[in-house]
Amino acid sequence: GAVVSQHPSRVICKSGTSVKIECRSLDFQATTMFWYRQFPKKSLMLMATSNEGSKATYEQGVEKDKFLINHASLTLSTLTVTSAHPEDSSFYICSARTGGPNQPQHFGDGTRLSIL
Amino acid sequence: QQPVQSPQAVILREGEDAVINCSSSKALYSVHWYRQKHGEAPVFLMILLKGGEQKGHEKISASFNEKKQQSSLYLTASQLSYSGTYFCGTHERRGGADGLTFGKGTHLIIQP
Repeated sequence: GAVVSQHPSRVICKSGTSVKIECRSLDFQATTMFWYRQFPKKSLMLMATSNEGSKATYEQGVEKDKFLINHASLTLSTLTVTSAHPEDSSFYICSARTGGPNQPQHFGDGTRLSIL
Repeated sequence: QQPVQSPQAVILREGEDAVINCSSSKALYSVHWYRQKHGEAPVFLMILLKGGEQKGHEKISASFNEKKQQSSLYLTASQLSYSGTYFCGTHERRGGADGLTFGKGTHLIIQP
């Protein structure tokens, strides 16, 4: 149980392109989804928290116009990296949780984004 | 505030024990432990919520001190499959944006 699917797993695209990443909870309803960014051999850094039907809450320093988050249903959240540039290249990983902060977050397999 | 994990890396032989520590300068609401293998998603291990709590099983267990500022993960009689990077994720506040703040990770290498 508690499977989170993230798609695509790898994206390579040109600078200026917008890229959408999907995060789905397959066997549970995710009241809250999180988006993290991870640089090679580094820790996961929280970008934003999204609750179904609400606007996402972004961490300090994360541009909300750059990283658009939509959480339209209890099983799907999307992250769109708009007008991506090489510095946006990274490993993006989502997690999903049902219930409050005393519940575990279940992670997707991540998306490796490479901007040329 | 990012929790401090120690050690940064550990190399063990199969069957040896390891302890990984995670500390914060503030009292925490909870501590979550994850293991991540290279190129894969972090896998949930356990959550600790209460001061003085200990949980887990014989092989992998964790504790949370009374002040809720330090947690330790114990790996007993390590197996090759335990290799990976261990992260503690801490939660300081309730409500609102309540994602986890992860430590820098502890790289664990188990050799046969």
